[in-house]
Amino acid sequence: DVKVTQSSRYLVKRTGEKVFLECVQDMDHENMFWYRQDPGLGLRLIYFSYDVKMKEKGDIPEGYSVSREKKERFSLILESASTNQTSMYLCASSTQGYGYTFGSGTRLTVV
Amino acid sequence: RKEVEQDPGPFNVPEGATVAFNCTYSNSASQSFFWYRQDCRKEPKLLMSVYSSGNEDGRFTAQLNRASQYISLLIRDSKLSDSATYLCVVTLSGTYKYIFGTGTRLKVLA
Repeated sequence: DVKVTQSSRYLVKRTGEKVFLECVQDMDHENMFWYRQDPGLGLRLIYFSYDVKMKEKGDIPEGYSVSREKKERFSLILESASTNQTSMYLCASSTQGYGYTFGSGTRLTVV
Repeated sequence: RKEVEQDPGPFNVPEGATVAFNCTYSNSASQSFFWYRQDCRKEPKLLMSVYSSGNEDGRFTAQLNRASQYISLLIRDSKLSDSATYLCVVTLSGTYKYIFGTGTRLKVLA
């Protein structure tokens, strides 16, 4: 089975801090994604990448950046964390023609 | 109009009941369709793909109606363990990204 691992399950950060969320997948998938999930709003795509060093903006990229230096790793960066970025962050990977596999999520609280 | 719409529920049904959810999508160029299941405070997991001819996996049946632009999920003989949120997912032709509905919450009651 594909495994997608997110580095932290729970994270508490202060407003203004730079935050790194790491995601690693072990099945050589080309595509990787970062979503945030909020009650009533569902899953919203922040950024995605379909190859090493490639990135595309999703629906809500403001306040975030990403890095994909290696195929298996996709990092989400909050340049200056704000309270409205408190959310559940989900990383996913996929290969052509197959559904996503998600990591177990990082619940980020910004205080 | 949202790209993918679902009734949020909750659907409260007794054990053994049959329950059906619908999901409508707005873009006629939508290509692939899936149902995901998400348990409370867990990540979504793929339940099943939805094919044009319809498909069945045990107690679960998925249907696609392209003319009316909706997909459905039918659960027969509901179990307590079926309690979860069911997410409808649509992809557009030529893209890698999925569009998620906000989910339908199901509670199966003893």
